[in-house]
Amino acid sequence: AQKITQTQPGMFVQEKEAVTLDCTYDTSDPSYGLFWYKQPSSGEMIFLIYQGSYDQQNATEGRYSLNFQKARKSANLVISASQLGDSAMYFCAMRGGGTASKLTFGTGTRLQVTL
Amino acid sequence: EAGVVQSPRYKIIEKKQPVAFWCNPISGHNTLYWYLQNLGQGPELLIRYENEEAVDDSQLPKDRFSAERLKGVDSTLKIQPAELGDSAVYLCASSSSAGARELFFGEGSRLTVL
Repeated sequence: AQKITQTQPGMFVQEKEAVTLDCTYDTSDPSYGLFWYKQPSSGEMIFLIYQGSYDQQNATEGRYSLNFQKARKSANLVISASQLGDSAMYFCAMRGGGTASKLTFGTGTRLQVTL
Repeated sequence: EAGVVQSPRYKIIEKKQPVAFWCNPISGHNTLYWYLQNLGQGPELLIRYENEEAVDDSQLPKDRFSAERLKGVDSTLKIQPAELGDSAVYLCASSSSAGARELFFGEGSRLTVL
């Protein structure tokens, strides 16, 4: 079974500052993928970044980077230079090995960017 | 390119009434998902389609929920009869294949059961 844990229900960050959203996971699959999604108030889930379990380097996508620590089973999202538009819910998710494996989400972290 | 389209965006019904949600995935996407998102929670998979075949419906409460994707394109999720606990957001997503990295989500259908 797969499990995603996000322990921060809410976070505040000032505009232009960096923020780290925590995510830990548990799985018995040797191969898996980790994802971060953003959910603004409009409701849709927007894919941000992906990290494969065998990737040697941490994933980066623009202002988003994933701090992947395999031994600790953590996959924290770092947002640099926060913008007001970054205010949203952020979900960490994982998918185990194989195309039949479903995407399992955490409970999310609400990020509020302030002036 | 149009994204995943869902309707209705909002639906309010009384308990024991039926309700249906419609989803049109991104053109060419063979894999379609229905997710349930309760308030304050992450989405949970209800059913996954590969073309017109439901390949994972283990989390779908089959006593009252049903889904179909007859022509392998758009899909309908039905609840009959609805219960108070069904109040939630129903998200549809699609991907080019089952192994595709990125799922594209619609804006969801928010159901309130009174």
